[in-house]
Amino acid sequence: SYELTQPPSVSVSPGQTARITCSGDALPKQYAYWYQQKPGQAPILVIYKDNERPSGIPERFSGSSSGTTVTLTISGVQAEDEADYYCQTADISGTYVFGTGTKVTVL
Amino acid sequence: EVQLVESGGGLVQPGGSLRLSCAASGFTFSSYEMNWVRQAPGKGLEWVSYISSRGSPIYYADSVKGRFSISRDNAKNSLYLQMNSLRAEDTAVYYCAREKFAGYYYGMDVWGQGTTVTVSS
Repeated sequence: SYELTQPPSVSVSPGQTARITCSGDALPKQYAYWYQQKPGQAPILVIYKDNERPSGIPERFSGSSSGTTVTLTISGVQAEDEADYYCQTADISGTYVFGTGTKVTVL
Repeated sequence: EVQLVESGGGLVQPGGSLRLSCAASGFTFSSYEMNWVRQAPGKGLEWVSYISSRGSPIYYADSVKGRFSISRDNAKNSLYLQMNSLRAEDTAVYYCAREKFAGYYYGMDVWGQGTTVTVSS
């Protein structure tokens, strides 16, 4: 089955920039989406269509795409950004897949 | 207020069945695609199933194909997941999530709080 690979963890100091990568063969052909999930809570959509930000999501969250890798960037990280982050896309058959997830720790 | 509320979770024996429901409010349910996503204890998100706004097409993850069935009733603003032949590995929090399609998909922008399914003898 199709897979999206993310680093298990990323650590960043407050005010610095966190970059979370997501790799998969379908990514050049399909849009990527990013979700933030805090412990005990449902996920929240933070990026759609590779680099679009839903209303209400802070501007410090941005997305980019290059070949088989998409990247979620959090600029000026704040303590409240500590969470798990998941990428997601679709394969050519229409089924969805989530990435393996990345735990962002704010030092 | 835009809201999704899941119900129907619980403890079930291996091989048993369960039907989850998701009640939508605060938006035009019939205009949105819907998904079920689950999360096993301490694990990541796993997409389970998708149903379009009109009820077709429908897609399933390989892990549940042939055992789970997704459906919706737009008149009742409700989404369902019929789960049969349950296994221990189906133990998870199950979320329903809406998704808008208008030329392309806008992502799962509203999620319920989840309902817990435990498969154990």
